[in-house]
Amino acid sequence: DVVLTQTPVSLSVTLGDQASISCRSSQSLEYSDGYTYLEWYLQKPGQSPQLLIYEVSNRFSGVPDRFIGSGSGTDFTLKISRVEPEDLGVYYCFQATHDPLTFGSGTKLEIK
Amino acid sequence: QIQLVQSGPELKKPGESLKISCKASGYTFTDYAMQWVKQAPGKGLQYMGWINTQTGKPTYADDFKERFVFSLETSASTAYLQINNLKNEDTATYFCARGMMVRDYWGQGVMVTVSS
Repeated sequence: DVVLTQTPVSLSVTLGDQASISCRSSQSLEYSDGYTYLEWYLQKPGQSPQLLIYEVSNRFSGVPDRFIGSGSGTDFTLKISRVEPEDLGVYYCFQATHDPLTFGSGTKLEIK
Repeated sequence: QIQLVQSGPELKKPGESLKISCKASGYTFTDYAMQWVKQAPGKGLQYMGWINTQTGKPTYADDFKERFVFSLETSASTAYLQINNLKNEDTATYFCARGMMVRDYWGQGVMVTVSS
């Protein structure tokens, strides 16, 4: 199974600063069709996960451009510029390239 | 608007069964697969599998091949997750999520508690 390793486990950020989360995969996530099925989700306290980014770098509808996904192969990054109070929660990366599909273990973003 | 509305919380005893629902609205049900995700208390997200809403064919992740059943009631735009022979470790919140290549809309989750 593909293992997604997220770092850091937790992150404390001052409002207005940038946050960066890494997701490393045990295998390349590029599919045979040329696409890379790596997604990022935010789960706010007491809520369902919400899709932020799909196919590495595409923002889902309504997601602010402060959220930027990047990477390729096995190394991926989610950057949140100008962190706002509503950004707190747990961020998960997720891969849909290899069966079984798998989530990363999560990164908790706290506001200082 | 697109919504996935799940059934209410459940309290069950070990060995019992349950069936939770995920009712879709705001789109054509059979145009998108339905996925299921488990979240144990205080833990991360665990992918359970998906069901093809056109054919009804389920696909289960390895940890969910034994007691778990995905099903559909297409006429009611509803997907179901049945868990048989409940165990304490099934205590969790279960989410449904629309889509195959992208999981873009999620249900609110169903909290299941298994306790004697």
